[in-house]
Amino acid sequence: AQSVTQLGSHVSVSEGALVLLRCNYSSSVPPYLFWYVQYPNQGLQLLLKYTTGATLVKGINGFEAEFKKSETSFHLTKPSAHMSDAAEYFCAVSGAGYALNFGKGTSLLVTP
Amino acid sequence: DAGVTQSPTHLIKTRGQHVTLRCSPISGHKSVSWYQQVLGQGPQFIFQYYEKEERGRGNFPDRFSARQFPNYSSELNVNALLLGDSALYLCASSLEGQGPSYSPLHFGNGTRLTVT
Repeated sequence: AQSVTQLGSHVSVSEGALVLLRCNYSSSVPPYLFWYVQYPNQGLQLLLKYTTGATLVKGINGFEAEFKKSETSFHLTKPSAHMSDAAEYFCAVSGAGYALNFGKGTSLLVTP
Repeated sequence: DAGVTQSPTHLIKTRGQHVTLRCSPISGHKSVSWYQQVLGQGPQFIFQYYEKEERGRGNFPDRFSARQFPNYSSELNVNALLLGDSALYLCASSLEGQGPSYSPLHFGNGTRLTVT
């Protein structure tokens, strides 16, 4: 079975500051890891995904994440936060099956 | 190109009633998945359908059922509604049916179901 734990249900950063959203995974098989973003009253949009290969994954909107097997982590970062980044962020994991297993989400607040 | 479309956007039902939610996938996508997102939680997998056949099912009671039509659109049915069924129901489509590791999911904006 695969699961993810997102550390911190709420994160607040100043505009222009580094964004760091934490995700740790548990998987009995090589994991496929994802970050999704959800804006209010909208569905989920894929930011980036890790399957195999390069451990540093670049996504849309300037986000990137690094797969660290030794730490079972897949943290999401962005060098400089923008007001438009305020949203709910979900880490997810899947294996060979048909389900994406999501974390509980982290709400990102960006202050001026 | 149109994305995944879901209808209705909002719905209010009474306990014990039945509800049908509808989803149209992105043109060319053959697989549809359904997820339930309770307020304050991440989405939970309910079903995946590919070529009209159920490929995967999450840990949901038999009150939940779905089907996929020849045009690849899908319906999610929930019988005997409970207060706990209140949630945002998300539909996602993908090109093929291998699962999200191989065929990325594209989500619709969801149907907000309120059970009173």
